[in-house]
Amino acid sequence: DAEITQSPRHKITETGRQVTLACHQTWNHNNMFWYRQDLGHGLRLIHYSYGVQDTNKGEVSDGYSVSRSNTEDLPLTLESAASSQTSVYFCASSRSTGNGNTIYFGEGSWLTVV
Amino acid sequence: GNSVTQMEGPVTLSEEAFLTINCTYTATGYPSLFWYVQYPGEGLQLLLKATKADDKGSNKGFEATYRKETTSFHLEKGSVQVSDSAVYFCALSEGSWGKLQFGAGTQVVVTP
Repeated sequence: DAEITQSPRHKITETGRQVTLACHQTWNHNNMFWYRQDLGHGLRLIHYSYGVQDTNKGEVSDGYSVSRSNTEDLPLTLESAASSQTSVYFCASSRSTGNGNTIYFGEGSWLTVV
Repeated sequence: GNSVTQMEGPVTLSEEAFLTINCTYTATGYPSLFWYVQYPGEGLQLLLKATKADDKGSNKGFEATYRKETTSFHLEKGSVQVSDSAVYFCALSEGSWGKLQFGAGTQVVVTP
């Protein structure tokens, strides 16, 4: 079955370190997204991509970067991890097939910055 | 800009009780509206959606009707089960590109 997978599922890192969260989808979806989930804020969009070589900033992009070298993967990099980036991160993907197309989410990556 | 407002939780109910979670939105155009559910330790799953005014989305006994006049998309279920305990997110997207704007989420706890 097609799916979307994230790794690692749990990570503890130190302040100032670079961290990369992987996201891989096998649906051949054009659109991919990274969200972070924090209590009281719901999910907030970090970065998104509408296709290979396309990346865009979302609502909370400071301190994060993404790259899209192929259709299947959208890795999220924290350039210099900060305690404020302790969160649960969700990758998601969707087709570009018109209004209301469904977004599918991965199971999340729990990141703790100490 | 667009925004989604949900009632705050947690909402605690007994099994077989009626559930309503209020959701209102602001949008510049004609968004699609969604309810996603997140079970403990898991990612989000689409529960139901509606893409135009007066549409009713339904799934697993849950329903929500897209009300343009009141800019609302309230989620209802007539008889909840313990297995419905989860966090529920209302969300909207505009256009075909799939970017979602989420509400803060409402935790629902159903007790036996």
